[in-house]
Amino acid sequence: ETGVTQSPTHLIKTRGQQVTLRCSSQSGHNTVSWYQQALGQGPQFIFQYYREEENGRGNFPPRFSGLQFPNYSSELNVNALELDDSALYLCASSHSGIETQYFGPGTRLLVL
Amino acid sequence: QQQVKQSPQSLIVQKGGIPIINCAYENTAFDYFPWYQQFPGKGPALLIAIRPDVSEKKEGRFTISFNKSAKQFSLHIMDSQPGDSATYFCAASGVGTSGSRLTFGEGTQLTVNP
Repeated sequence: ETGVTQSPTHLIKTRGQQVTLRCSSQSGHNTVSWYQQALGQGPQFIFQYYREEENGRGNFPPRFSGLQFPNYSSELNVNALELDDSALYLCASSHSGIETQYFGPGTRLLVL
Repeated sequence: QQQVKQSPQSLIVQKGGIPIINCAYENTAFDYFPWYQQFPGKGPALLIAIRPDVSEKKEGRFTISFNKSAKQFSLHIMDSQPGDSATYFCAASGVGTSGSRLTFGEGTQLTVNP
């Protein structure tokens, strides 16, 4: 059984650019959630995807968007990057109807 | 509005001690309360979780105590070891909280001295 994987591990962008982060869910899981973790803080929920549709969204602007593919993998896209977007972006997978979420190692994004 | 409050922010204990981390929640719709352990540069790893129909759950050296009336829960680490040094997060989720999102506390940085 493979765990949650994310790519890339690190990324440096400049303000105003766009970024795409990728996540492969754990085997057998059909739900993917994305979280943003600023330095020294707890993860904040961005949104969740189930059956290729957004299934709940946190307090993040529309420039944060996502996709889920038929194989349950997912992408997080952030447009018009701001300095405050610098954070660890975490993907978590779960099975619908089961609350337990398993996290990947994260992508560290630095916006200069 | 932070719905899960965690304390203390940091904690230092000696090897063999029993660190206790506390969390309080506001949303009565929460019905699932996990604890995660996070090492620097890594993603959170699930340690143990509890539902409000039980007051205590043990898994190995980790115990969750739950007080539904007070809307509080805590993590106890028995016989703590230097390898337990990490940041610990409590979290909560529940029906009607938008796609079973996890709401996290701010974290507790635990240091276990040899």
